[in-house]
Amino acid sequence: EAGVTQSPTHLIKTRGQQATLRCSPISGHTSVYWYQQALGLGLQFLLWYDEGEERNRGNFPPRFSGRQFPNYSSELNVNALELEDSALYLCASSLFGGGTHQETQYFGPGTRLLVL
Amino acid sequence: AQSVAQPEDQVNVAEGNPLTVKCTYSVSGNPYLFWYVQYPNRGLQFLLKYITGDNLVKGSYGFEAEFNKSQTSFHLKKPSALVSDSALYFCAVRDRYSGGYQKVTFGTGTKLQVIP
Repeated sequence: EAGVTQSPTHLIKTRGQQATLRCSPISGHTSVYWYQQALGLGLQFLLWYDEGEERNRGNFPPRFSGRQFPNYSSELNVNALELEDSALYLCASSLFGGGTHQETQYFGPGTRLLVL
Repeated sequence: AQSVAQPEDQVNVAEGNPLTVKCTYSVSGNPYLFWYVQYPNRGLQFLLKYITGDNLVKGSYGFEAEFNKSQTSFHLKKPSALVSDSALYFCAVRDRYSGGYQKVTFGTGTKLQVIP
């Protein structure tokens, strides 16, 4: 069974540009999560999509946005890039979202974004 | 509100010795608890989880964790460390009865260094 896949693996942008990151969940998983892992800052929750809807959002500005497609894949968009957006962006998926299920998350390898 | 703390940024242990990576949590109800491992330049890999039942949870690669409700802890342990266990370890928590789309909260991570 294929795991969570992310593309691209690396992305180099300049300040003010837009970045688009993509994620394909494990087959059958409906929830997709996005995290930012900046150097020395641990894992910061960005967004949670389930069944095509945004379900929860972390403490990030509106220029971080995304969407989930009917096939449950997801896209993270970062507008007006700033130097501090340089980080590893991790996507995860789970079988169930919300409710009282324990929803173990399975992570992709990440996209490393460098903003110059 | 829920939170998780990993009090040690780094743990050093000699190969063959037992290892412990500490985690304490705070939830208003009962927790779901998780441990993940991250190898360099990789995404997070699921190790184990506590949902209910036996307080001692066994996971991948010989790791185990003990849920201690009175001390609100979920320390990760392994009887005999391997050099290949050197990685970044994350503890995570979710309030079991929060319902809806309550996100999982990750700790800041503990770097485990196993010395040959």
